[in-house]
Amino acid sequence: EVQLVQSGGGLVQPGRSLRLSCVASGFTFDDYAFHWVRQAPGKGLEWVAHINWNSGSIGYADSVKGRFTISRDNAKNSLYLQMNSLRAEDTALYYCTKDQRRRTTLVDFDCWGQGTLVTVSS
Amino acid sequence: EIVLTQSPATLSLSPGERATLSCRASQSVSTYLAWYQQKPGQAPRLLIYDGSNRATGVPASFSGSGSGTDFTLTISSLEPEDFAVYYCQHRSGFGQGTRLEIK
Repeated sequence: EVQLVQSGGGLVQPGRSLRLSCVASGFTFDDYAFHWVRQAPGKGLEWVAHINWNSGSIGYADSVKGRFTISRDNAKNSLYLQMNSLRAEDTALYYCTKDQRRRTTLVDFDCWGQGTLVTVSS
Repeated sequence: EIVLTQSPATLSLSPGERATLSCRASQSVSTYLAWYQQKPGQAPRLLIYDGSNRATGVPASFSGSGSGTDFTLTISSLEPEDFAVYYCQHRSGFGQGTRLEIK
């Protein structure tokens, strides 16, 4: 079964850091690009970052550029999001998701993690 | 940056009725458009990719059409489980969503 299982998240003070993780199973991890997508409470979907299959192509939304870092460890079938200098407006449910097709990036996303809540508040 | 605009924001229909949801791109995206369904408390689910291809396991009652700047998601006969929020997506952009609610 194709599956993405997320961990990390929680309550953090403004300016602090947090790391999200996403472990994949059921498919060949290093064939696919991955993304983080977030959803603020009661709001729509916002793409946050992407990383291609070999980490050769990485991109960020302007809202997180310079503060967030996406990475992957193909040996551990794992995706990460390091979030620094967190702000109240980063409060959201964060999803990891994968591109549907091998060796493509930012086309369509066929498998999603369960989501992990990040709350930035003092 | 391409902006996706969905309409209507909310659509109120009854089970058995036909639903038509629209997504308009600010410039041509060819057929590179996907549709997702999101139910409360759940992650989004890919329904349609490349404008008109149903994803694995998606019922035939769901269909997508369009190319260029104008796209449509049609649900031919609404089931109770179809009432949800629907998003269109092109590359890193998502539309703001259409909430399909029971009338």
